[in-house]
Amino acid sequence: GDSVTQMEGPVTLSEEAFLTINCTYTATGYPSLFWYVQYPGEGLQLLLKATKADDKGSNKGFEATYRKETTSFHLEKGSVQVSDSAVYFCALGNAGGTSYGKLTFGQGTILTVHP
Amino acid sequence: EAGVVQSPRYKIIEKKQPVAFWCNPISGHNTLYWYLQNLGQGPELLIRYENEEAVDDSQLPKDRFSAERLKGVDSTLKIQPAELGDSAVYLCASSLGSPEDEQFFGPGTRLTVL
Repeated sequence: GDSVTQMEGPVTLSEEAFLTINCTYTATGYPSLFWYVQYPGEGLQLLLKATKADDKGSNKGFEATYRKETTSFHLEKGSVQVSDSAVYFCALGNAGGTSYGKLTFGQGTILTVHP
Repeated sequence: EAGVVQSPRYKIIEKKQPVAFWCNPISGHNTLYWYLQNLGQGPELLIRYENEEAVDDSQLPKDRFSAERLKGVDSTLKIQPAELGDSAVYLCASSLGSPEDEQFFGPGTRLTVL
């Protein structure tokens, strides 16, 4: 079945540091890929997405590129801020069969940014 | 535009008691999902509805869990009887239904079973 493997955390960085959170996936067909974020005390919200190979999703300075050849969707940001402290989830949107539309999530990566 | 509404936000019950969670999706979203999120893990799908039809309930433990979406709008998830291992956050989400569409999540119900 579909699965998502995320870089284990927690990740602790200083403000303005470069961020990478690795995400790889296993899926049949052509899934869509997402990064969701959960800020402290808030619900899950979409950060960015990519719906086909080589697409780049971007939002709030974060980027991720859908790499079919390496089955990866790594999240990057050039300069993190304290306000980026949150839990980040990589997710796969199933594109076929009875699981059509289902999101399969990774286990989440806790990011803490210090001033 | 109002987001996905869930209630209650928190629930504490003793084991073997029943419990119910309610969700109202974003207006116009025909697809509704219930997810279970254990501490330190990502959400896992319990059931997916297209309008009032449950189209994927393969991960729903049907011996104690049930769900309904009678008029194709709001939905209720029930556990009877609750077990200690059911302590988790129950998330409701809604979307337009395609795999590339964003799923909008509610704040969740945090259930504690004592």
